Amino acid sequence: EAQVTQNPRYLITVTGKKLTVTCSQNMNHEYMSWYRQDPGLGLRQIYYSMNVEVTDKGDVPEGYKVSRKEKRNFPLILESPSPNQTSLYFCASSLPGQVFEAFFGQGTRLTVV
Amino acid sequence: AQKITQTQPGMFVQEKEAVTLDCTYDTSDQSYGLFWYKQPSSGEMIFLIYQGSYDEQNATEGRYSLNFQKARKSANLVISASQLGDSAMYFCAMREATGELIFGSGTRLLVRP
Repeated sequence: EAQVTQNPRYLITVTGKKLTVTCSQNMNHEYMSWYRQDPGLGLRQIYYSMNVEVTDKGDVPEGYKVSRKEKRNFPLILESPSPNQTSLYFCASSLPGQVFEAFFGQGTRLTVV
Repeated sequence: AQKITQTQPGMFVQEKEAVTLDCTYDTSDQSYGLFWYKQPSSGEMIFLIYQGSYDEQNATEGRYSLNFQKARKSANLVISASQLGDSAMYFCAMREATGELIFGSGTRLLVRP
């Protein structure tokens, strides 16, 4: 089954404790991205990657890191989480080009206390 | 300026009636794609419908259709014969040449029995 898998689904952590949210897709998609969803703001892109070893900042990259060492994986790293990073996070993947829809993971609800 | 604007934070519709969710966009690209996603209360993002900027016909997918007015830069989603299961958050999104998928702030639709 074609899918994007994020882990964990839920996470509560403390300020400053490094964490990684994993994202893996099995569709051989070149394009992967991370979004955060906050009430009233929709989904805002954090980082995206157009292929292996190619990553770029989205609209809200501060406080986040990513890596793309393999095509299928695109982890999101919070080196020193803060409460304002409490949010619902989505990973998405797609083929490149404007015509292709993005496939989303199930989301990770992160709370930083 | 916002690239995607959804001016209706919330909407009600009676079951079995049609409803239009508004979306306007801003781009200087000639080639772009427009998408609608549904997010039920369970949180996952479900792709509904796509419209390409060069498509002359409005896209349709079952009960969903996209009212594409290029000159007005609007891409409204029309849901016909609303069902209780249509109650959800709906997001309009645009993909430009960069590949980035930009979302609006969403419209929460509630279908009344």
